[in-house]
Amino acid sequence: DTAVSQTPKYLVTQMGNDKSIKCEQNLGHDTMYWYKQDSKKFLKIMFSYNNKELIINETVPNRFSPKSPDKAHLNLHINSLELGDSAVYFCASSQAPTTGRLYGYTFGSGTRLTVV
Amino acid sequence: GDSVTQMEGPVTLSEEAFLTINCTYTATGYPSLFWYVQYPGEGLQLLLKATKADDKGSNKGFEATYRKETTSFHLEKGSVQVSDSAVYFCALTVPNNAGNMLTFGGGTRLMVKP
Repeated sequence: DTAVSQTPKYLVTQMGNDKSIKCEQNLGHDTMYWYKQDSKKFLKIMFSYNNKELIINETVPNRFSPKSPDKAHLNLHINSLELGDSAVYFCASSQAPTTGRLYGYTFGSGTRLTVV
Repeated sequence: GDSVTQMEGPVTLSEEAFLTINCTYTATGYPSLFWYVQYPGEGLQLLLKATKADDKGSNKGFEATYRKETTSFHLEKGSVQVSDSAVYFCALTVPNNAGNMLTFGGGTRLMVKP
């Protein structure tokens, strides 16, 4: 069983569209994250979320919004897609902030978004 | 703010060569340090970790020692294999880090030739 699963794996869409990427974890973790990896492989945190608070990286445009229907899911919704949004998006989870610092995170396999 | 600096790649080695990938950091608190590996077309996998000074993380023949005095966490392997070809990321997280987020270095691509 996949611990952190993302769908779709590939997403090609036109500028201006709205799209969502889904993420589910079956590890019972408390905290979930979204990271963006650009074409140069640089990884940047976008959001951190648990059932208590959402932490948003201030550099993330407000066109990006995380949505969590329950503890095991953290979906990423993107409005008005732009060419610069093309990247690989990774979902991750950790058991709790404290244990995350000790044990790291479990990542999904990524969603490659291409905006044309 | 917190940051991680890695040596730029690609690093190209022959099989059985010795590997070092340098990583240094700056942190506002006392960080935990990690190395992650990303194989082609895959997500990141935790390779090893260290949570306090002088700890040595090790896994699959890779090692890294938490050096507080030099703020470094260099990755080493005595004999690389072709299957080690991947991108390696050094990362940290600190207490009181908002949202407990990982800060990554820029990644170092390793290519091992037979």
